Amino acid sequence: RKEVEQDPGPFNVPEGATVAFNCTYSNSASQSFFWYRQDCRKEPKLLMSVYSSGNEDGRFTAQLNRASQYISLLIRDSKLSDSATYLCAASMDSSYKLIFGSGTRLLVRP
Amino acid sequence: AAGVIQSPRHLIKEKRETATLKCYPIPRHDTVYWYQQGPGQDPQFLISFYEKMQSDKGSIPDRFSAQQFSDYHSELNMSSLELGDSALYFCASSSLRLAGVGGTQYFGPGTRLLVL
Repeated sequence: RKEVEQDPGPFNVPEGATVAFNCTYSNSASQSFFWYRQDCRKEPKLLMSVYSSGNEDGRFTAQLNRASQYISLLIRDSKLSDSATYLCAASMDSSYKLIFGSGTRLLVRP
Repeated sequence: AAGVIQSPRHLIKEKRETATLKCYPIPRHDTVYWYQQGPGQDPQFLISFYEKMQSDKGSIPDRFSAQQFSDYHSELNMSSLELGDSALYFCASSSLRLAGVGGTQYFGPGTRLLVL
């Protein structure tokens, strides 16, 4: 079982839709969480850091539930340009290496 | 803003050859991480350096070695290359000194290695 798990999707949604991804982690020592966006054959680009209960940046909202050990990402008013793979990552204070989930693929259609 | 620089961007090698990948972190970042991403896989942590000392080691083969230099750039040396080493190799950097605990990692564009 992977330490960080995500639904691989794909999520196929129309423009303007709201879509939510969940990510679960098994290591309770994980302290910091991140959402990265990765386009095909490109580097992961930081979307959001999640240290406490949640974070919001424009159309994107991330929430952290430590009791249930999951992180969510909500995208409102989806744009065509949001089509990508969204990677969830966790790290511990004892080691800052990122443990990634397998990614969730999002396709936004016109 | 300056980003992480990696070179070369593409590399083709034969089996059993060696390769050296270079990473130049964001200015004033003190920590460098190396990740390997195989086709259809998520990035896997290889090794990291903080202030020129190895800080953590992941699933890095013994055939690979790395170091961080006084100017904070890092090199990943890969020897006796195998077909299975074909992958995207990402370098990421962060500033633990400025961020305190944790430190957001920013990724470079990656080196695409193909072993024939």
